[in-house]
Amino acid sequence: DAGVTQSPTHLIKTRGQQVTLRCSPKSGHDTVSWYQQALGQGPQFIFQYYEEEERQRGNFPDRFSGHQFPNYSSELNVNALLLGDSALYLCASSLGNTGELFFGEGSRLTVL
Amino acid sequence: DQQVKQNSPSLSVQEGRISILNCDYTNSMFDYFLWYKKYPAEGPTFLISISSIKDKNEDGRFTVFLNKSAKHLSLHIVPSQPGDSAVYFCAASSGNQFYFGTGTSLTVIP
Repeated sequence: DAGVTQSPTHLIKTRGQQVTLRCSPKSGHDTVSWYQQALGQGPQFIFQYYEEEERQRGNFPDRFSGHQFPNYSSELNVNALLLGDSALYLCASSLGNTGELFFGEGSRLTVL
Repeated sequence: DQQVKQNSPSLSVQEGRISILNCDYTNSMFDYFLWYKKYPAEGPTFLISISSIKDKNEDGRFTVFLNKSAKHLSLHIVPSQPGDSAVYFCAASSGNQFYFGTGTSLTVIP
């Protein structure tokens, strides 16, 4: 039973560039949430996707956007990267909007 | 604003003793609480949860206590083992969004 998988695991970008991160949810899960974890902080909610639509959004600017595909996988896009976007980006899947979240190992983004 | 707070960044406990990790929250609408454990270079893994209709939930060595009037929850690990050394996050939700604390790094000394 495959868990949540994310790619890439590490990447380096420069300010102003754009990045796309990918996530495949745990088998049987239909909901994907994205979190940003800065160093020394807890995960911060970015948004959640269900039935290919953004269902809820945290306090992040429009530079952060996402997509969910019919197979429930998801992408997180960040435009016009800032140094402060450097963080671990975690994808979590769940069945519906309740219950526990299952996390992937994360994508470590460094913006120079 | 930090709606979920873990005020102890670190905790050290002797193997075999009890570990108590604490978490406070501010939003009285939260109705579901969870604890996650995180090892370096891995994503958080679910440990135990509790609904707001309960005040205690137990799973093996792990017990979570919820005090709604104080808006406080705690995780007890008995007995603590070296493999429990990790960062522990508490989280709370009232629907689609989960709010996480900043984590407590637990070290269990053999």
